[in-house]
Amino acid sequence: GENVEQHPSTLSVQEGDSAVIKCTYSDSASNYFPWYKQELGKRPQLIIDIRSNVGEKKDQRIAVTLNKTAKHFSLHITETQPEDSAVYFCAASKLTGGGNKLTFGTGTQLKVEL
Amino acid sequence: KAGVTQTPRYLIKTRGQQVTLSCSPISGHRSVSWYQQTPGQGLQFLFEYFSETQRNKGNFPGRFSGRQFSNSRSEMNVSTLELGDSALYLCASSPQPDVNTEAFFGQGTRLTVV
Repeated sequence: GENVEQHPSTLSVQEGDSAVIKCTYSDSASNYFPWYKQELGKRPQLIIDIRSNVGEKKDQRIAVTLNKTAKHFSLHITETQPEDSAVYFCAASKLTGGGNKLTFGTGTQLKVEL
Repeated sequence: KAGVTQTPRYLIKTRGQQVTLSCSPISGHRSVSWYQQTPGQGLQFLFEYFSETQRNKGNFPGRFSGRQFSNSRSEMNVSTLELGDSALYLCASSPQPDVNTEAFFGQGTRLTVV
């Protein structure tokens, strides 16, 4: 089955700096890659996703890049703010028979320091 | 539009007992997935239901089971509880499977087994 590895497990940045979180996946048939943000005590919420027919997607300060050949994708957060502090999870899924099964990475605890 | 609702929010059970958790998806969503979240293992897929049928199952023992009703509400049951079953159980709903769209998570049920 699919396996998703995520690095780093913790990341501390200064406010205003950029943060990058990287994930690799094992199943070349995976074609949907969402990123979820989970604040302490709250539910995971989608912040951005990318499909395999696209190499990059941006939404304001957040961007995701996908390299299908290398089977890895990354989350980039620019101009970080204290409210970006949370745990971020990457995930992978595939259409056709995969249903809505998401395989998650183990999470990255991002801390944005003032 | 109401979000995904999970009940109860918190549960304390004794080893050997069984427990039933409930999930009401967003109105119009017909696919419901369940995940177990623990500090050590992250988010792990349990199973997915669509049209009252189990579509996918994760690598959990048979003590974990679920079902879906005609109104798309879902329940999961854990029998013969073990200490290691202590976790946050999250359900997520999507409009339908095999279409990679956002999975909306509920707040979760925090299960503690003593």
